[in-house]
Amino acid sequence: AQSVTQLDSQVPVFEEAPVELRCNYSSSVSVYLFWYVQYPNQGLQLLLKYLSGSTLVKGINGFEAEFNKSQTSFHLRKPSVHISDTAEYFCAVSEGGGSNYKLTFGKGTLLTVNP
Amino acid sequence: DSGVTQTPKHLITATGQRVTLRCSPRSGDLSVYWYQQSLDQGLQFLIQYYNGEERAKGNILERFSAQQFPDLHSELNLSSLELGDSALYFCASSDGYEQYFGPGTRLTVT
Repeated sequence: AQSVTQLDSQVPVFEEAPVELRCNYSSSVSVYLFWYVQYPNQGLQLLLKYLSGSTLVKGINGFEAEFNKSQTSFHLRKPSVHISDTAEYFCAVSEGGGSNYKLTFGKGTLLTVNP
Repeated sequence: DSGVTQTPKHLITATGQRVTLRCSPRSGDLSVYWYQQSLDQGLQFLIQYYNGEERAKGNILERFSAQQFPDLHSELNLSSLELGDSALYFCASSDGYEQYFGPGTRLTVT
């Protein structure tokens, strides 16, 4: 069975600092990987996804992530954060795609950007 | 805006009651997924429907059931509600590569 571990439940940073949110997964088959963001009292918005191809994936709002198969990791990075990036971030994995796949989510990382 | 709609936005009900949550997928998407988000369990997959048929089940309680109708909208039915069922319930529709989430229904059981 697949699982996702987000190593940090909370990450406080100052505005304009770089940030990395860590995500490790376990699966016995090839996977698709996702990062979602949830702003307070809102739904989930997709930041970026890895389906295949280049292991460096660029997403919205200046975020990027790198798929590392040997380390089973998919860490999210941003070189310079803004106050508006304060939100909860979820890493998710699915075993394949097509018409039948479910997402397994990590517990989430609360990113707090301070002035 | 993901194109997925969910109603109602908020629901407050008492223990023992039954409620129905509704989801309309994006135009053209045949798959609908239901997830529960709670403080205790985080985000958990409940159930998936594809073109009217149940495709996968996750950690869904026997008190919960779902269906997908011919127009592809889906309903999640929760019965004999308990305090622990209070949570945010999301539905998502999929084009096979990405899941698009609705805004969620916040259920409060008192």
